[in-house]
Amino acid sequence: KAGVTQTPRYLIKTRGQQVTLSCSPISGHRSVSWYQQTPGQGLQFLFEYFSETQRNKGNFPGRFSGRQFSNSRSEMNVSTLELGDSALYLCASSPPVGTDTQYFGPGTRLTVL
Amino acid sequence: SQQGEEDPQALSIQEGENATMNCSYKTSINNLQWYRQNSGRGLVHLILIRSNEREKHSGRLRVTLDTSKKSSSLLITASRAADTASYFCATVAGANSKLTFGKGITLSVRP
Repeated sequence: KAGVTQTPRYLIKTRGQQVTLSCSPISGHRSVSWYQQTPGQGLQFLFEYFSETQRNKGNFPGRFSGRQFSNSRSEMNVSTLELGDSALYLCASSPPVGTDTQYFGPGTRLTVL
Repeated sequence: SQQGEEDPQALSIQEGENATMNCSYKTSINNLQWYRQNSGRGLVHLILIRSNEREKHSGRLRVTLDTSKKSSSLLITASRAADTASYFCATVAGANSKLTFGKGITLSVRP
């Protein structure tokens, strides 16, 4: 099976802009989670989607949003970008039942100038 | 917020030696997992241990869990240069399936 894919891999934006990141889970996986990784805060949970519904949400401002489509692909959007949003954004998918193991994509490296 | 705290923060060993990494966490958990990350890329799942398990093995990996001390350790035996990476423990608690990560340990294995 193909792994989790994320596009784009690298992105450079300026403050105030918005950005959309995309994630395609492993075939058959219905749960998609997003994480932000920064040197200062480490890995932090953003949100989780399951069957097109947000199931969990982390402690991030409303500028961070996401959605999931009927084919389980997910997007996350960050509006009004700030310098502190520069990070590696990781997407992970999980099988429908039986395990909490998550399978991560390679990430999208976002740089905000 | 971080749930896990790994110890040490950085570890440098010679190829062939064993590497032991520790993780402590704060709340009751369903399971604890270890992940590896190479140079700012995606995370790779290594092993999962449930709260009712005390020890688990997978290849050169051995993980232990002590729920009374809220701690876990990951042992990598006979380390290789390819094991050079950052290692993270992550916990799953309650009805949530989200992973709560520690800050990570940087392991360097010298050839």
